[in-house]
Amino acid sequence: QSALTQPPSVSGSPGQSVTISCSGTSSDVGTYNRVSWYQQPPGTAPKLMIYEVSNRPSGVPDRFSGSKSGNTASLTISGLQAEDEADYYCTSYTRSTTLVFGGGTKLTVL
Amino acid sequence: QVQLVESGGGVVQPGRSLRLSCAASGFTFSSYGMHWVRQAPGKGLEWVAVVSYDGSNKYYGDSVEGRFTISRDNSKNTVFLQMNSLRPEDAAVYYCAKDTYTWAIIWYFDLWGRGTLVTVSS
Repeated sequence: QSALTQPPSVSGSPGQSVTISCSGTSSDVGTYNRVSWYQQPPGTAPKLMIYEVSNRPSGVPDRFSGSKSGNTASLTISGLQAEDEADYYCTSYTRSTTLVFGGGTKLTVL
Repeated sequence: QVQLVESGGGVVQPGRSLRLSCAASGFTFSSYGMHWVRQAPGKGLEWVAVVSYDGSNKYYGDSVEGRFTISRDNSKNTVFLQMNSLRPEDAAVYYCAKDTYTWAIIWYFDLWGRGTLVTVSS
């Protein structure tokens, strides 16, 4: 099972919006809505930010939103804040009853 | 206090074995699926394995299938990862993570441990 494809890095200024893409196949993202996003600041464990494509766990700001079209999922962060700087990972359930992560995207807040 | 605490990491030679443990507290451990996820130094996250709430179902990533075994002891609120035939590429921080909903494997993780470091080197 190959990793989902994410851009290595994205950046934006405070207050701006950024979108991180997550490209999979018909064996994972394209077929299943079990898509999630995790935030991992340096030196810490990941935190669930989005599940089931577009749902936010309680406590996650509504600046974070998720969507999916075909084989590609996306995470959009609006109103960027310095505290959003972190690595972001997407995941998807797969046809093989496994989970696959994306390669990760480093978000820099300029 | 709701938490997961991993232990058992260390330095091991290629081809040898290691057993990781993850002790859970603060929630009804026996109701949730539990996962292992690893992260090689400076690299991304990789899902390793999952065990269902009662231990009856287990699934593995391709890179560890046949070498690693996940298990759990609900009487001790602990999940294990037995790692055999270790390779240099298995070196990573190993996190245990709790699945989100009771009784089913939903494939989302709402609680993570701090991880335990495994180094594979001769």
